[in-house]
Amino acid sequence: GQQLNQSPQSMFIQEGEDVSMNCTSSSIFNTWLWYKQEPGEGPVLLIALYKAGELTSNGRLTAQFGITRKDSFLNISASIPSDVGIYFCAGQTSGTYKYIFGTGTRLKVLA
Amino acid sequence: NAGVTQTPKFQVLKTGQSMTLQCAQDMNHNSMYWYRQDPGMGLRLIYYSASEGTTDKGEVPNGYNVSRLNKREFSLRLESAAPSQTSVYFCASSEVAFTGGGGYTFGSGTRLTVV
Repeated sequence: GQQLNQSPQSMFIQEGEDVSMNCTSSSIFNTWLWYKQEPGEGPVLLIALYKAGELTSNGRLTAQFGITRKDSFLNISASIPSDVGIYFCAGQTSGTYKYIFGTGTRLKVLA
Repeated sequence: NAGVTQTPKFQVLKTGQSMTLQCAQDMNHNSMYWYRQDPGMGLRLIYYSASEGTTDKGEVPNGYNVSRLNKREFSLRLESAAPSQTSVYFCASSEVAFTGGGGYTFGSGTRLTVV
């Protein structure tokens, strides 16, 4: 089946640093989504991408839809303690409403 | 508040017991989903309902059954719980979309332990 490889699996960073994570697929996707999950809660949608090459920002977060349509990237600038959580990517192929989820990147911010 | 409501939030079962996880959404979404989340494995789709009256298997349906009771409610049943079903279960909903999409709205999860 389709798989999404998300990296890194976890990262510790200092407050104020920039963060980069990515997601790669063996299949072409028409939509990429990035979610954040905080402890004890369900994932919450951060950014949605619908077109190859698209670059979209949401505050300090910026995500890009890779040109090959098989990857996506999420950057967080000037991290703060509340950025702690697990970040998931999800991809959707044409003709289906099912999303494939990545395994998540666990982010910990050191004050 | 609008969204997806799951009950219960926590549950401990003995092996072989049965239970039903409840999910309701008030956003008039057509599609609903059940996922399980296990450490290091991300979210895996158990069952989904594209629209009221239809249900289909996802990646990991064995040991589960679902009922789309009406447009708002989608329940997940474990007929005979096994320790391998210890997990966090998430219900989600979305508008039907075959291109583009707005993503899912997730509930806050049910943490199930089977002993």
